[in-house]
Amino acid sequence: GAVVSQHPSWVICKSGTSVKIECRSLDFQATTMFWYRQFPKQSLMLMATSNEGSKATYEQGVEKDKFLINHASLTLSTLTVTSAHPEDSSFYICSASRPGTGNTIYFGEGSWLTVV
Amino acid sequence: AQSVTQLDSHVSVSEGTPVLLRCNYSSSYSPSLFWYVQHPNKGLQLLLKYTSAATLVKGINGFEAEFKKSETSFHLTKPSAHMSDAAEYFCVAAGSSNTGKLIFGQGTTLQVKP
Repeated sequence: GAVVSQHPSWVICKSGTSVKIECRSLDFQATTMFWYRQFPKQSLMLMATSNEGSKATYEQGVEKDKFLINHASLTLSTLTVTSAHPEDSSFYICSASRPGTGNTIYFGEGSWLTVV
Repeated sequence: AQSVTQLDSHVSVSEGTPVLLRCNYSSSYSPSLFWYVQHPNKGLQLLLKYTSAATLVKGINGFEAEFKKSETSFHLTKPSAHMSDAAEYFCVAAGSSNTGKLIFGQGTTLQVKP
């Protein structure tokens, strides 16, 4: 079964509004989670590293104020796309490393964001 | 710097024939390597992983991969392709600092023809 869960799977929002995507580790604690963005027919692009209880670490070129990450608990990280625009439409995927699995990363099912 | 290169962006095979998806890595140390599969509009599913134990790694759905240090390769194979294997495949290396950061290959689209 799923080890990392994302919600929602699909979301449509109006341009200028904000949308939140949740990433949960289902039966383990994840001090670190990762957020990726994937454009059609392309590989995953790491956006940021979400750290429980501290600020996220963003990759170069990713706007911190646009993509707000909150890792308030050991099983939940959220990505909020603020003031969304059509160019933010994409597939967003989170991941987490499950302890005791030898450095194995598990991915969420992904969330499709469409900004209209 | 670490890097992962998938040598083919697109592979097409007939159902029932072998599958070979090629991956080369560049690293100053022996990395942890993974193959993930992504079906359309879905997240990534782990197929198999190499973490410095046996060099021949068996995964789910009949896939396996062999770590060859001399060739810096980690090619994915399957003896007989099934229609359901059609998907995007990613070869991935774990970052050196063991932080959970991953280095992705560009992906290979596997097409399976009936």
